[in-house]
Amino acid sequence: GQQVMQIPQYQHVQEGEDFTTYCNSSTTLSNIQWYKQRPGGHPVFLIQLVKSGEVKKQKRLTFQFGEAKKNSSLHITATQTTDVGTYFCAGPSRRGYQKVTFGTGTKLQVIP
Amino acid sequence: EAEVAQSPRYKITEKSQAVAFWCDPISGHATLYWYRQILGQGPELLVQFQDESVVDDSQLPKDRFSAERLKGVDSTLKIQPAELGDSAMYLCASSWDSNTPTDTQYFGPGTRLTVL
Repeated sequence: GQQVMQIPQYQHVQEGEDFTTYCNSSTTLSNIQWYKQRPGGHPVFLIQLVKSGEVKKQKRLTFQFGEAKKNSSLHITATQTTDVGTYFCAGPSRRGYQKVTFGTGTKLQVIP
Repeated sequence: EAEVAQSPRYKITEKSQAVAFWCDPISGHATLYWYRQILGQGPELLVQFQDESVVDDSQLPKDRFSAERLKGVDSTLKIQPAELGDSAMYLCASSWDSNTPTDTQYFGPGTRLTVL
C-alpha cells in the first residue's frame, strides 16, 4: 500500500532559526496536504498543493510540491515559539474516492 | 466558523468493557472519517463514509470495532470489548466530498481513550 514518510522525525531549533521538513511518498500523489497539530490538539489543515513543482507561501511558511509529485517540503523561516507542534503531510491516493494517507510527522520544538 | 464536534473528550474504561464515541460533522459535509492516532504517530484511517455508506474500512478491526452513520449525518464508533492496545486518540474528520480531487479534511478535537 501507499507509504508516506517524513524526515526528520524530530527537530529542535533555536527561536529565529529556519526549519524544514521533507515528505516522500511511495506513489505519485494527486495532491499533497499539510496539517499542523499542536501538543494536545488535533490536526489543522494548512495548505494543499496540486500542481507539479508548485510553490505556495503563507507568511513565514513555504510549501513546495516536487516535479514528480512524489515529494514535498515545508520550510519555516525564522521560527517562533508559536510554530511548536507536529507537522504532517498527507497524500491522497485516487481509487474512485480519495483515501488520504498521513505521513509519519515531524515534531518541531522551538527553544526560546 | 463551523466545527466538527466529538464526545466525549476523554474516556477511561477497563478492558473488556464497551465504549462508544460520537461525531457530528460540519453541516453539509458528505464524507466522514474516523482515525486512530497513537501518541507520536500520524492518524491512521479506520473507516471512511460517503453519506451513509462505508467506502473504506480496510483497517478497521471488525471483530471488535463497528461504525455507523445511519442518516448520513452524525456517526458512532464502538469498541467491544476494549483492549489495552486500544488506548489512543480517536479523531473524527469531515470533508465536502472525497470524490473531489482537491477535497480537504476538517478534524474534531478527538476523544482520548485510556483502557486500564
